[in-house]
Amino acid sequence: DIQMTQSPSSMSVSLGDTVTITCRASQDVGIYVNWFQQKPGKSPRRMIYRATNLADGVPSRFSGSRSGSDYSLTISSLESEDVADYHCLQYDEYPYTFGAGTKLELK
Amino acid sequence: EVQLVESGGGLVQPGRSMKLSCAASGFTFNNYDMAWVCQAPKKGLEWVATISYDGSSTYYRDSVKGRFTISRDNAKSTLYLQMDSLRSEDTATYYCARHNDYGDFDYWGQGVMVTVSS
Repeated sequence: DIQMTQSPSSMSVSLGDTVTITCRASQDVGIYVNWFQQKPGKSPRRMIYRATNLADGVPSRFSGSRSGSDYSLTISSLESEDVADYHCLQYDEYPYTFGAGTKLELK
Repeated sequence: EVQLVESGGGLVQPGRSMKLSCAASGFTFNNYDMAWVCQAPKKGLEWVATISYDGSSTYYRDSVKGRFTISRDNAKSTLYLQMDSLRSEDTATYYCARHNDYGDFDYWGQGVMVTVSS
């Protein structure tokens, strides 16, 4: 199975910060990585698809990038509504695998 | 508007069975592959199973193979997950999700909780 190693597991942040979360794939998954945001008690919301594409309705302060097997989600000028859990997903092959998640908390 | 509404969760004893349903609306159900994804309490997301648009192909994570069965009724726009021989480690919120053309999940249901405990 492809492992998605996500870091950090948690991050203490301040409003206005630039935040970067990374997932490293254990083997080549090409562009087939998504990022999801999840708030407590809610279902995941797709933020980034195919590594770098912004999903519909997602603010432009969110962006996705890829460098080799490293995939990153960056939030520029963090707003209060961005405080949530974030998960990466590889869907290059079955079994699809998620990263362990990153929890953003306000300082 | 795409809507996915799960039902059928609750408390079940280990070794028993439970069947989840996901009613879909707002899109042409029989054009899309569908999936179940779970999340144990305070844990990350795990893909469980996928079924092709016409039901001809199914895929499962190893830990549920032989115990869970994904199926669909396109006439009713409904996805199912039959869970047999349930274990405590199956305790989780189960989400129904739609695969889009590239294979990822673009819409999710609100989730349904399954608790396996004696």
